[in-house]
Amino acid sequence: EAGVAQSPRYKIIEKRQSVAFWCNPISGHATLYWYQQILGQGPKLLIQFQNNGVVDDSQLPKDRFSAERLKGVDSTLKIQPAKLEDSAVYLCASSFSLAGGKQETQYFGPGTRLLVL
Amino acid sequence: AQKITQTQPGMFVQEKEAVTLDCTYDTSDPSYGLFWYKQPSSGEMIFLIYQGSYDQQNATEGRYSLNFQKARKSANLVISASQLGDSAMYFCAMKPDSWGKLQFGAGTQVVVTP
Repeated sequence: EAGVAQSPRYKIIEKRQSVAFWCNPISGHATLYWYQQILGQGPKLLIQFQNNGVVDDSQLPKDRFSAERLKGVDSTLKIQPAKLEDSAVYLCASSFSLAGGKQETQYFGPGTRLLVL
Repeated sequence: AQKITQTQPGMFVQEKEAVTLDCTYDTSDPSYGLFWYKQPSSGEMIFLIYQGSYDQQNATEGRYSLNFQKARKSANLVISASQLGDSAMYFCAMKPDSWGKLQFGAGTQVVVTP
């Protein structure tokens, strides 16, 4: 079974530029998550989708970050314009359901390392 | 509010020895799940083991086992027979079954030496 796919793996941009990350979850997983992980910290949830609907985007800086999951499968996270403090690893994860228990185990992709200069 | 505490920022362990990584948590939810993830330097978060709050037995997955003490709100990960490939950052995480986010601790860096 294929895991969570993400691209690109690395991205270097200058501040005020825009950037987009792509994620394809494990087949059959209804729930998709985007996390931001700053160096030395645990991941922080940015946004959570259930199929193509947003479940939680309370920690997404909506003035510059946006995300979509139009067909309920793959997803795109965009930053526009980027700031220096956006330098981080952006992790995508998916889970089978939100039913609680082991079905909510989140499986992560390889992440995208973003450096904003 | 949930809180996950990992008090060991880093530790060295010799190859073939066992290591215990501490994790305590605080929640008012009666039903929740506890997770451990491994993050090597490559960056990917790898799921290791799950423990449900109502599970009667401690979870085991190969060389990983979870020492779950519900009354003390602790969920320590035990890695037996450490290998060089176990060198990584290890995160404890918790999520209530009803609602809420998967909350991560700060992580413990493990270095396995020959």
